[in-house]
Amino acid sequence: EAGVTQFPSHSVIEKGQTVTLRCDPISGHDNLYWYRRVMGKEIKFLLHFVKESKQDESGMPNNRFLAERTGGTYSTLKVQPAELEDSGVYFCASSQISPAGLLRGETQYFGPGTRLLVL
Amino acid sequence: KQEVTQIPAALSVPEGENLVLNCSFTDSAIYNLQWFRQDPGKGLTSLLLIQSSQREQTSGRLNASLDKSSGRSTLYIAASQPGDSATYLCAVRGLDTGRRALTFGSGTRLQVQP
Repeated sequence: EAGVTQFPSHSVIEKGQTVTLRCDPISGHDNLYWYRRVMGKEIKFLLHFVKESKQDESGMPNNRFLAERTGGTYSTLKVQPAELEDSGVYFCASSQISPAGLLRGETQYFGPGTRLLVL
Repeated sequence: KQEVTQIPAALSVPEGENLVLNCSFTDSAIYNLQWFRQDPGKGLTSLLLIQSSQREQTSGRLNASLDKSSGRSTLYIAASQPGDSATYLCAVRGLDTGRRALTFGSGTRLQVQP
């Protein structure tokens, strides 16, 4: 079974440009998460999809970030316009929706990340 | 607001040693705690997940314990090997059923010397 995949693996862009990151979750996983680690900091949550709906977007830093998950399969995260402080590693994770009463057993499976550098 | 701290930030040990990595969290109202491993330039690999009702979980040479009331977890690695060299991260999920976000610590960078 394929794991979570992310594209591209690396991206170098100039300040003010637009970048779109893609995440393909594990097949059948309804939960999809975006996280990021900026230089020297811990990994921080950005947002959570359940199928195509945004369940929690409390971690999105500002309106330059737009996440979509049309059709409830893959997801994209667009940064427009990119700023220097957006540089970091963007991780995607997915998980199964657990049956009722088993929510605590949910493991999030992470992709390899996209390394974004804004110059 | 949940905060997760991992001590030490870095650790270097000779091969064969048993070692303990520590994780503490400020809010004991958690659903579960997950330990991850991250290799340089790679993603996160889930090692162990401890549910809030559990005290420990074991997988091979790894044993993770959870003391929810004191806000602590430890990851015990027995008979360490050079292949265990990586950054180890712990993350907690809160009780809010509407939020499944994980809160991460900053990690412990482990180097096992052959």
